[in-house]
Amino acid sequence: GESVGLHLPTLSVQEGDNSIINCAYSNSASDYFIWYKQESGKGPQFIIDIRSNMDKRQGQRVTVLLNKTVKHLSLQIAATQPGDSAVYFCAELAGSYQLTFGKGTKLSVIP
Amino acid sequence: DSGVTQTPKHLITATGQRVTLRCSPRSGDLSVYWYQQSLDQGLQFLIQYYNGEERAKGNILERFSAQQFPDLHSELNLSSLELGDSALYFCASGENSPLHFGNGTRLTVT
Repeated sequence: GESVGLHLPTLSVQEGDNSIINCAYSNSASDYFIWYKQESGKGPQFIIDIRSNMDKRQGQRVTVLLNKTVKHLSLQIAATQPGDSAVYFCAELAGSYQLTFGKGTKLSVIP
Repeated sequence: DSGVTQTPKHLITATGQRVTLRCSPRSGDLSVYWYQQSLDQGLQFLIQYYNGEERAKGNILERFSAQQFPDLHSELNLSSLELGDSALYFCASGENSPLHFGNGTRLTVT
């Protein structure tokens, strides 16, 4: 069952290509950012995070870039695989206890 | 598997009714967060509990309430349900970010 909105931005990539998913955040006081992946019928799953004192962080096949000047966050997925198909959310935290989530981007991987 | 357990998985009920959603946090986590995910609003923070006490409140309607019990499980109570309350309700736990989410309860109000 579909779990997220019908009007999400969609990114279609060929299997094996790199994917870049972008996110603009709103609060200049945000100091911690997270990318989540949500597959159909499941809850958001943590992928990678970054603190505001960094501008780049790498994980396994994923890289997060943070540009505080323009309040922009991106998630790069290397060698995209069919299992990467999901909705991706960025979330920001500004010193409080609640994460604020972006609207999400749907990634479709073409085999 | 995030370690966060939510029940039931699906719930169908009529307008005006009341339902209770249940969440068990990951072992060792004292905090529980509730989020609502609807088609047009994305993930919205509702409320947070820490070790039995309310810690933060978000966009939670007065018809909704929550509590956290001594064994740290939490319940979200939704009353006087309206069609617009149909959504996915997620529970998350974690002392510090990142939060770990359960697989949600899909509520359908008819």
